[in-house]
Amino acid sequence: EVQLVESGGGLVQPGRSLRLSCTVSGFTSGDYALTWFRQAPGKGLEWIGFIRSKPYGGTTEYAASVKGSFTISRDDSKSIAYLQMNSLKIEDSAVYYCATGRSEYCSGGRCVVRWFDPWGQGTLVTVSS
Amino acid sequence: QSVLTQPPSVSGAPGQRVTISCTGSISNIGAGYDVHWYQQLPRTAPKLLIYSNTYRPSGVPDRFSGSKSGTSASLAITGLQAEDEADYYCQSYDTSLSNSGVVFGGGTKLTVL
Repeated sequence: EVQLVESGGGLVQPGRSLRLSCTVSGFTSGDYALTWFRQAPGKGLEWIGFIRSKPYGGTTEYAASVKGSFTISRDDSKSIAYLQMNSLKIEDSAVYYCATGRSEYCSGGRCVVRWFDPWGQGTLVTVSS
Repeated sequence: QSVLTQPPSVSGAPGQRVTISCTGSISNIGAGYDVHWYQQLPRTAPKLLIYSNTYRPSGVPDRFSGSKSGTSASLAITGLQAEDEADYYCQSYDTSLSNSGVVFGGGTKLTVL
């Protein structure tokens, strides 16, 4: 069974850093893109970014809202993806989810990850003083 | 403000049919990027419901169906059941300078009366 489990959430002060982990099992993590999303309390889903699979170069792509502050990496030897979050703000408070990216393809110089399945259960990050 | 536009809420009685629209633009759905749908039951993680506009993952009942035309897509649920009460999100990909990447609708809360 394919499973993703997030960890590392908690309470952090504004301006500090936090690293989340996403441990995958049931498949070879290097074969798929790994993606991070978040959902603020009572709000909708927001894409943070993804790291492509090895066949697609293992490169990253981020949402404009987090570019330069958040970094996604992966260690396929441990089947883990990471989300490094720096200079956290109160508005970064949310449940953070990781998910497997499916059906990658490249066209016109752009490599896309189409849909996301499955998702982990999420980890709560609260940024507060 | 979400790149894709969904109605905030829809409702229907058990057994009825409801549809949820997802409106995009020429930089996402209209550019040919597929639309995918997710169901989020209360206090749980999102679950893939429809992928590539019309396909259901294994285990998703055929009461759920998707369609896409032009710059819009729709999710239809027939034979509404109490367990369908959830939030539904559409997702696509955008190539505009300001929104490049994965984009979502704001979500639609389905209430089963």
